[in-house]
Order: sequence, then C-alpha cells, then structure tokens
Amino acid sequence: GQQLNQSPQSMFIQEGEDVSMNCTSSSIFNTWLWYKQEPGEGPVLLIALYKAGELTSNGRLTAQFGITRKDSFLNISASIPSDVGIYFCAGSSGGSNYKLTFGKGTLLTVNP
Amino acid sequence: DVKVTQSSRYLVKRTGEKVFLECVQDMDHENMFWYRQDPGLGLRLIYFSYDVKMKEKGDIPEGYSVSREKKERFSLILESASTNQTSMYLCASRAPAGSYGYTFGSGTRLTVV
Repeated sequence: GQQLNQSPQSMFIQEGEDVSMNCTSSSIFNTWLWYKQEPGEGPVLLIALYKAGELTSNGRLTAQFGITRKDSFLNISASIPSDVGIYFCAGSSGGSNYKLTFGKGTLLTVNP
Repeated sequence: DVKVTQSSRYLVKRTGEKVFLECVQDMDHENMFWYRQDPGLGLRLIYFSYDVKMKEKGDIPEGYSVSREKKERFSLILESASTNQTSMYLCASRAPAGSYGYTFGSGTRLTVV
C-alpha cells in the first residue's frame, strides 16, 4: 500500500524559531493535507493543497505541494507555545479513492 | 459548526469483554472512518463506511467489526477485547465530494486490563 515518510519525528525548539517538516510518498498524490493534534484532542485540518506546486498559507503556517506530487512541506514561522502538538501530513490519490494515507506525525515542543 | 462526537473520552474494560465505541456526526456525511493511534505508529485505518450499511476493511481490521445502521452513527465493536487493543481510537467523517478533508472526533482512550 501507499506509505508516507514524515520527518522529523520530533522537534524541540525555542519560542520564536521557525519550524520545517516534510512528508515524502512512494507514490503520487493528488491532494496533500496537514493536520494538527493537540493533547487530548482529535486532529484538526490546518491546510489543504490540491495542485502540484501550490503554496498556501494559514497565518504563520505555510505549506507546499511538491512539484513531483510525491512530497509536501509545512513551515511554521515565529513559533509560539500554543504551536505544541503533533503535526500529521496526509495524502489522497483522489477520484473514487476517498481514503487518506497519514504520516506518523511530527511531535513539536516549543520552549517559552 | 460541524461536529463528530465520540461517546466516551476514557474507557477501561476487561480482557474478553465486548466493547462498543460510538461515533455520531451531524454533517450528513456519507463517509465515516475509524482509526487507532499508537505512539510511533501514527493513525492506522481500522474500518470505513461509505454509506449506510456499507463497510470496508481498512489496514488493521482484525479483532474489530463495525456497524452503520444510520447515516449519522458509526460504531466500532471489539468482539473480545485484548490488551493489545489498548489505544486511542479516533472517528472521522469526510467532507462532501470535492473535498478530502476529514473531521475528527476528540478520541476515545481505551485501556484493556
């Protein structure tokens, strides 16, 4: 089946630093999504990407759909303590395949 | 605002018990999903349903079954709970056609002793 490799597995950063994480796939996706899961809650959608090369921002978050359609990147600028959580990438091949494949997550810790 | 509600946040059950995890969505979505989340393993799909009474196995269906008698409700059943089913269980439903985003519930943390 499809696999997503998400890195890094965890990050410990100081407040104010920028953060980058990425996902790579063994196959092509038509959609890339980024979710954030806060402690004790379910994942919440942050950004959705639908076209190769697309760059989309949501506040301090920016995500890109890789041109090869096999990767995606999420950047967080000027991190703050409430950015703490697990960030998941997810991809879909589209069409009648409505299932998402999830990465294993990046655990972000922000030290104030 | 759209909602996916899981009936219990925390459950403790004994080995061998039959366990029901309930999920209700108020968005009239056709597609619903059950995942389990374990440290280092991410989200793994157990079962999904694309319509009432329709279901398909996900990646790790062994030891689980599901029921979808009404569109808004998708139940996960552990026929005979085992300690290796101790996990966080997440229910999700899918936005309308053309959008691939899932809406997740808050999760049920199940401990089997």
